[in-house]
Amino acid sequence: DADVTQTPRNRITKTGKRIMLECSQTKGHDRMYWYRQDPGLGLRLIYYSFDVKDINKGEISDGYSVSRQAQAKFSLSLESAIPNQTALYFCATSDLGLAGANGELFFGEGSRLTVL
Amino acid sequence: ELKVEQNPLFLSMQEGKNYTIYCNYSTTSDRLYWYRQDPGKSLESLFVLLSNGAVKQEGRLMASLDTKARLSTLHITAAVHDLSATYFCAVDRMNRDDKIIFGKGTRLHILP
Repeated sequence: DADVTQTPRNRITKTGKRIMLECSQTKGHDRMYWYRQDPGLGLRLIYYSFDVKDINKGEISDGYSVSRQAQAKFSLSLESAIPNQTALYFCATSDLGLAGANGELFFGEGSRLTVL
Repeated sequence: ELKVEQNPLFLSMQEGKNYTIYCNYSTTSDRLYWYRQDPGKSLESLFVLLSNGAVKQEGRLMASLDTKARLSTLHITAAVHDLSATYFCAVDRMNRDDKIIFGKGTRLHILP
């Protein structure tokens, strides 16, 4: 099983619908991140969290919300999806804060979202 | 605001040639990362550079960091087709806002 699991892997929805992307991890990391990837734009940070009570906005948080339900779970929500939120979304964890950590990110397989 | 710029954004090269990808960032950084992404896949970590002058090598790839110039390079030696991928650098401002910001990526296409 993957250490960082994202569900769903693919989703097609309509404008105005509420969508939740879920991320769970078995790595025991405190830090979790949500990024979106668009062709030619690289990865852009949406939200990040250092523990259940520490959630921070990233570069492009407008139109998104997150919930850190537990150390292992970090969900991304689109309250009212719009077509320009069509993208590939990645969840990642970081080992920073753990002994011997070097801070590299460990990514899930991605969730491809299409908003019609 | 932290900005991370990579160049070139696209590179097509012949097998056997050497080339360098550049990553410039706009503010003081504590850590710099290089990642690789194959088409349709997730990202995997290549290197973590933690201090000025750091150099890491793995096979035909070598990464270096110059914190004074705010520049990291990823050098490819005698390229082979298997190195075709998109390469991203990312910068982490530890103990400030701790955001990890990515460059736009360099799409590397190595011709056999």
